[in-house]
Amino acid sequence: EAGVVQSPRYKIIEKKQPVAFWCNPISGHNTLYWYLQNLGQGPELLIRYENEEAVDDSQLPKDRFSAERLKGVDSTLKIQPAELGDSAVYLCASSLGGDGETQYFGPGTRLLVL
Amino acid sequence: AQSVTQPDIHITVSEGASLELRCNYSYGATPYLFWYVQSPGQGLQLLLKYFSGDTLVQGIKGFEAEFKRSQSSFNLRKPSVHWSDAAEYFCAVGPHSGGGADGLTFGKGTHLIIQP
Repeated sequence: EAGVVQSPRYKIIEKKQPVAFWCNPISGHNTLYWYLQNLGQGPELLIRYENEEAVDDSQLPKDRFSAERLKGVDSTLKIQPAELGDSAVYLCASSLGGDGETQYFGPGTRLLVL
Repeated sequence: AQSVTQPDIHITVSEGASLELRCNYSYGATPYLFWYVQSPGQGLQLLLKYFSGDTLVQGIKGFEAEFKRSQSSFNLRKPSVHWSDAAEYFCAVGPHSGGGADGLTFGKGTHLIIQP
């Protein structure tokens, strides 16, 4: 069974440029998460989807970040414009949903903003 | 709000020696508890999880963890480490929301170094 797929794996952009990350969850997983992982830190939740609905986006900086999950499968996370402080790893995870279900993580996209 | 503390940023263990990684959590009720491992350039892989019942949980790769409610701890152990265990280890807590799988709160991680 394929795991969570993310692309690109690495991205280097200049500040003020836009960037987008893509995530394909495990087949059948209704719940999708985007996490931000800064260097030397644990992941922090940005947004959680139940099917196509964003049910928790309280930690998403909405002035520059946006996300969508059309048709309740793939998801895209966008930053526009990117700032130097956005350099981090962006992790996508998925689960079957329901309390305590295991979250399966993708390999992440490592973003460097110059 | 829940929080997780991993007091050891780095731990160095000799190959074949035993290992214990500490994790303390703060949460108003019984949480779901997880240990994940992250190798360089890789995503997080679940080692084990605690929901309820037996407080000693067995995981993959020979790891186990013990939930101690009185100490708000969920320490990870392995009797004999292998060089391939060198990685970053994260403890995480998830709430009993009753309404779905909320996001996890992670500790800052413990970097495990294995020396020959």
